[in-house]
Amino acid sequence: GENVEQHPSTLSVQEGDSAVIKCTYSDSASNYFPWYKQELGKRPQLIIDIRSNVGEKKDQRIAVTLNKTAKHFSLHITETQPEDSAVYFCAANTGFQKLVFGTGTRLLVSP
Amino acid sequence: EAEVAQSPRYKITEKSQAVAFWCDPISGHATLYWYRQILGQGPELLVQFQDESVVDDSQLPKDRFSAERLKGVDSTLKIQPAELGDSAMYLCASSHAGVQETQYFGPGTRLLVL
Repeated sequence: GENVEQHPSTLSVQEGDSAVIKCTYSDSASNYFPWYKQELGKRPQLIIDIRSNVGEKKDQRIAVTLNKTAKHFSLHITETQPEDSAVYFCAANTGFQKLVFGTGTRLLVSP
Repeated sequence: EAEVAQSPRYKITEKSQAVAFWCDPISGHATLYWYRQILGQGPELLVQFQDESVVDDSQLPKDRFSAERLKGVDSTLKIQPAELGDSAMYLCASSHAGVQETQYFGPGTRLLVL
């Protein structure tokens, strides 16, 4: 079945720096790749997603890139702020139309 | 803004007891998902409904877990009997139609089995 690997597991940056989280997937049929942010004790919330017909998508300080040939996609956060501190999950849909999530990246932005 | 509702938010039970979780998806959302999230890991799909029909329950431990969505709206997930290893966060999510639509998560039910 689909396997989604996510790195790093923890990431510490200074406020204002950029943060990059990378995921790889195994199912070549995957064509939908969402990213979720989960703050402590709260529900996961979608922050950005990308479909396989595009290579990059940007929303203010957040961008996602997709390389279908290499089967990897990345989340880029620029000008990080303390409120960006959370756990971030990538996910990919499988050929059987379910989402498989990565193991999460704990991002800590220090003032 | 409409949200997915879940209850209870917290549940403490003893092993071998039965527990039930309830989920009310966003109105009009045809697809409903139950996930289990173990601390430090990503959500893992347990069961997916399209309206009242089960689309995927391949990861649902059917000897002790059951799920239903009788009228295609709200849903119940049951565990009987609960085991120590069932301690986790149980998340419900819904989407308008299908997995390529945005999934909106509920606040979850945190289960502790003693």
